[in-house]
Amino acid sequence: GAGVSQSPSNKVTEKGKDVELRCDPISGHTALYWYRQSLGQGLEFLIYFQGNSAPDKSGLPSDRFSAERTGGSVSTLTIQRTQQEDSAVYLCASRRQGDRNEQFFGPGTRLTVL
Amino acid sequence: EDQVTQSPEALRLQEGESSSLNCSYTVSGLRGLFWYRQDPGKGPEFLFTLYSAGEEKEKERLKATLTKKESFLHITAPKPEDSATYLCAVQGSNDYKLSFGAGTTVTVRA
Repeated sequence: GAGVSQSPSNKVTEKGKDVELRCDPISGHTALYWYRQSLGQGLEFLIYFQGNSAPDKSGLPSDRFSAERTGGSVSTLTIQRTQQEDSAVYLCASRRQGDRNEQFFGPGTRLTVL
Repeated sequence: EDQVTQSPEALRLQEGESSSLNCSYTVSGLRGLFWYRQDPGKGPEFLFTLYSAGEEKEKERLKATLTKKESFLHITAPKPEDSATYLCAVQGSNDYKLSFGAGTTVTVRA
């Protein structure tokens, strides 16, 4: 079946603009994660959605970052008033129900803030 | 806070030269240790999950092992197509997110 898809694959924006990044998880996966990967850094957890439960937003670096998941499927990560330090690859992952199941990642969106 | 340290940062191997990657971790109750492979410009690709000390898993030329403090990813007789960054991650018993190490970049020369 289809894997996790993300769009756009690349996004170049100017400092101060807002951006929206989209994630389509694997069909039937109830859990969805967003991570950020900066150059030379490990993956950094941002936010976690599980079914209809309140999301775990503990990894969001500032209030400029927000995310929503509509209908338990597609998710959108929004960054407002982008800064140059927001430049990174934003990765989405999904997982089927069950605490131990592995997460499957999408190809990522490379964000460049000029 | 969960911590994952991978070593070495980079590894250059000749084709057929076996080696091991290390992943040291501290976590409050291990729910799972995960190995991923990441090619340039792509998302991480799942390789293995290990749940308890003593467990081993194999896939082609890769073998992952786990102790209470670290995991090893052994690459036996590597080929150039094994060149990639290998990521290790842990999930704590009270957590749903993965904590990742910085990765080991493996280059295999023909």
